[in-house]
Amino acid sequence: GAVVSQHPSWVICKSGTSVKIECRSLDFQATTMFWYRQFPKQSLMLMATSNEGSKATYEQGVEKDKFLINHASLTLSTLTVTSAHPEDSSFYICSASAKNTEAFFGQGTRLTVV
Amino acid sequence: AQSVTQPDIHITVSEGASLELRCNYSYGATPYLFWYVQSPGQGLQLLLKYFSGDTLVQGIKGFEAEFKRSQSSFNLRKPSVHWSDAAEYFCAVGAYTGNQFYFGTGTSLTVIP
Repeated sequence: GAVVSQHPSWVICKSGTSVKIECRSLDFQATTMFWYRQFPKQSLMLMATSNEGSKATYEQGVEKDKFLINHASLTLSTLTVTSAHPEDSSFYICSASAKNTEAFFGQGTRLTVV
Repeated sequence: AQSVTQPDIHITVSEGASLELRCNYSYGATPYLFWYVQSPGQGLQLLLKYFSGDTLVQGIKGFEAEFKRSQSSFNLRKPSVHWSDAAEYFCAVGAYTGNQFYFGTGTSLTVIP
């Protein structure tokens, strides 16, 4: 199957700083990418949907100014957590799909804000 | 509304015993169903998926799942559990063409010797 790579796998940052997470489709062109968040011992919740070249669509309750999503190319989407705080510590997972094809998940990024 | 229900939050089984994890879904279109496993601190690993064809799907690590449209279920089974199967299991439903996925709340599996 297709490969979606997330980087970094884990990151620790200081409170108040920003951190960028990358999601790459390695062997296909991803027209759509989804970003999910998983709180400890909970399920994955969709944060936003991004289509290449368009602004991301955020789910209700997700702060678009805090979680900046960029999908500038068909193989890369980035999620930037701005002015991170400890409550932003979570597991972030992306999925990517080409037009009219199934979606594939990245391995996830564990963010710890100290 | 689209949703996935995993009724069992936590299951404990003895090593070598059989396992069944339940998953019920509500989805307004033809469902594309998945089971993922997540070890502590790790990402999601796809166990198996179903979109069409034979309703009994074989996956990796000896897992299988059966799609029952009449019951809106997609239960995961394994005949003999190994200690390494201890993990969190998520059922998910989506559309084939890359729409968002809806995840269940997960079932935590503990395997005792």
